[in-house]
Amino acid sequence: EAQVTQNPRYLITVTGKKLTVTCSQNMNHEYMSWYRQDPGLGLRQIYYSMNVEVTDKGDVPEGYKVSRKEKRNFPLILESPSPNQTSLYFCASSPSAETQYFGPGTRLLVL
Amino acid sequence: RKEVEQDPGPFNVPEGATVAFNCTYSNSASQSFFWYRQDCRKEPKLLMSVYSSGNEDGRFTAQLNRASQYISLLIRDSKLSDSATYLCVVTPRVSWGKFQFGAGTQVVVTP
Repeated sequence: EAQVTQNPRYLITVTGKKLTVTCSQNMNHEYMSWYRQDPGLGLRQIYYSMNVEVTDKGDVPEGYKVSRKEKRNFPLILESPSPNQTSLYFCASSPSAETQYFGPGTRLLVL
Repeated sequence: RKEVEQDPGPFNVPEGATVAFNCTYSNSASQSFFWYRQDCRKEPKLLMSVYSSGNEDGRFTAQLNRASQYISLLIRDSKLSDSATYLCVVTPRVSWGKFQFGAGTQVVVTP
């Protein structure tokens, strides 16, 4: 089944404790992206990647890191999480940077 | 001012009725336009792309007005299953990979 998977789906952590949210797609898509969704603000793009080893900042990259060492995986790293990074996070992939397929989301609470 | 703006609603629509709503964008150089559907904070799913000449997919019709910088979505013969939040998505310029989302318009179809 073609899909985008994210892990974990739910995470409660404390300020400053490094965490990684994984994203994997099995559709051989070159494009992948991370978003956060907050009430009233819609989805905001954090980082995106056009291909392996190619990443670019979206609109809200501060406090996040990404890597794209292989086509299928695009992890999101929070080196020192803060409460303002509490959000719903979505990973997406696309064959052409047009139509995007989203993962199920990761709900993160930073205390 | 937000780059992509939508009326948050809710638009309460009787089953079988027609509902229409718009999305305005601020960047006149925007290139591509999409409508996504999102159910209860689940992952967004592509509803349709929006083409310059307008396009229709079953009960859904999308229009683009470049002069006034808005796109629209019309839903005919509304079904209960159309209840969702509809997200407007714009690529801001000829720069593959960046996407800007509106905060969404909530539609509630009532029996």
